[in-house]
Amino acid sequence: EDKVVQSPLSLVVHEGDTVTLNCSYEVTNFRSLLWYKQEKKAPTFLFMLTSSGIEKKSGRLSSILDKKELFSILNITATQTGDSAIYLCAVKGSQGNLIFGKGTKLSVKP
Amino acid sequence: AAGVIQSPRHLIKEKRETATLKCYPIPRHDTVYWYQQGPGQDPQFLISFYEKMQSDKGSIPDRFSAQQFSDYHSELNMSSLELGDSALYFCASSFGDRITGTGANVLTFGAGSRLTVL
Repeated sequence: EDKVVQSPLSLVVHEGDTVTLNCSYEVTNFRSLLWYKQEKKAPTFLFMLTSSGIEKKSGRLSSILDKKELFSILNITATQTGDSAIYLCAVKGSQGNLIFGKGTKLSVKP
Repeated sequence: AAGVIQSPRHLIKEKRETATLKCYPIPRHDTVYWYQQGPGQDPQFLISFYEKMQSDKGSIPDRFSAQQFSDYHSELNMSSLELGDSALYFCASSFGDRITGTGANVLTFGAGSRLTVL
């Protein structure tokens, strides 16, 4: 059975800290891994990773995929209160739909 | 830029009633996905459509059905509603994933329809 496991489930940090969110997966016919940020409403797209070892970067956020070890990490540096959200990792299998992990709830305190 | 449009945004129904949710994908997107997210849960895949045909089926209950129309919008029909159906229902769309076969197309989510069953 396909599955995506995220850790930690919850994380509380202070502004300015750096955090690393983990995502491991077991998926038949892996095609891509996506990170989404979910605040109060719809998940908003952050990154899509298809190749190992190539870092994707957007401002203070970055992510990388290891297809050999079947995991990805999402790094956030110099965290701000606006980074508080649930970060969802999802893997796309052969049918194109996303299989989500349970998410990491990040709380950034001032 | 146009996004995925879902309606209604909020819906309150009683047990055993029916409900219909609508989803209008991003223009030119040919694939629509439906997800159900319960309180504090991750989104669970229900069903998807590609070019108006069902392309994959997830954990959609038999009481639910869905279809994609000629204009690519989709509707999720829910009957004999139960308390446990209360959730946020997301629609997402993408383009051409089955054509490229690479999985390299991003799913864009709508804002969701919140269903409350009393």
